[in-house]
Amino acid sequence: SSELTQDPAVSVALGQTVRITCQGDSLRSYYASWYQQKPGQAPVLVIYGKNNRPSGIPDRFSGSSSGNTASLTITGAQAEDEADYYCNSRDSSGNVWVFGGGTKLTVL
Amino acid sequence: QVQLQQWGAGLLKPSETLSLTCAVYGGSFSGYYWSWIRQPPGKGLEWIGEINHSGSTNYNPSLKSRVTISVDTSKNQFSLKLSSVTAADTAVYYCARSAPCIVVVPAASCWFDPWGQGTLVTVSS
Repeated sequence: SSELTQDPAVSVALGQTVRITCQGDSLRSYYASWYQQKPGQAPVLVIYGKNNRPSGIPDRFSGSSSGNTASLTITGAQAEDEADYYCNSRDSSGNVWVFGGGTKLTVL
Repeated sequence: QVQLQQWGAGLLKPSETLSLTCAVYGGSFSGYYWSWIRQPPGKGLEWIGEINHSGSTNYNPSLKSRVTISVDTSKNQFSLKLSSVTAADTAVYYCARSAPCIVVVPAASCWFDPWGQGTLVTVSS
């Protein structure tokens, strides 16, 4: 399968920890990358590789993976973290990219 | 710091050909893959295809018959053409860069960064 599956929506109380998950067969061969997208803006890379953050991404964002599941964790969620989050990887062939359907994160 | 700037026609009629170009500023063009990704209004991201500096391409199988991605290394630009558009092709189109995957045992690591600003393309009669 070349699909990545995400929960459509997740909510978290301000300051609490939230985990967003992504499942797919390709994740056994490829680490997921994670993107944050706010309304009207282009996606922004927040996590890549085993657990790497680009410059400028707060350290409350972290990533992990196990088997066919990748997770994005936000420890101490802030109001500005409210956004859509997408996971992404190459598929098992290595020639095609796949995206998860996205998770809408609401910070309460 | 690498920046991607994209442009192209924003309003098309059904059956026309969508044409977008993305220019790369401030970094190397070779050694990377250059992708097009789209997002229909209110929906998720869909990868369209990619090209490297030597012109080698990969396409989304669901769009392959209508997509052509080309590169102009003299201008550090790459372009997307999508033929026979319909209303279903209405979307914001993004260009993005990816590097060859890095193996970090037990898996490989690949990602898109940076992205262009996006171009809304509307198909309507």
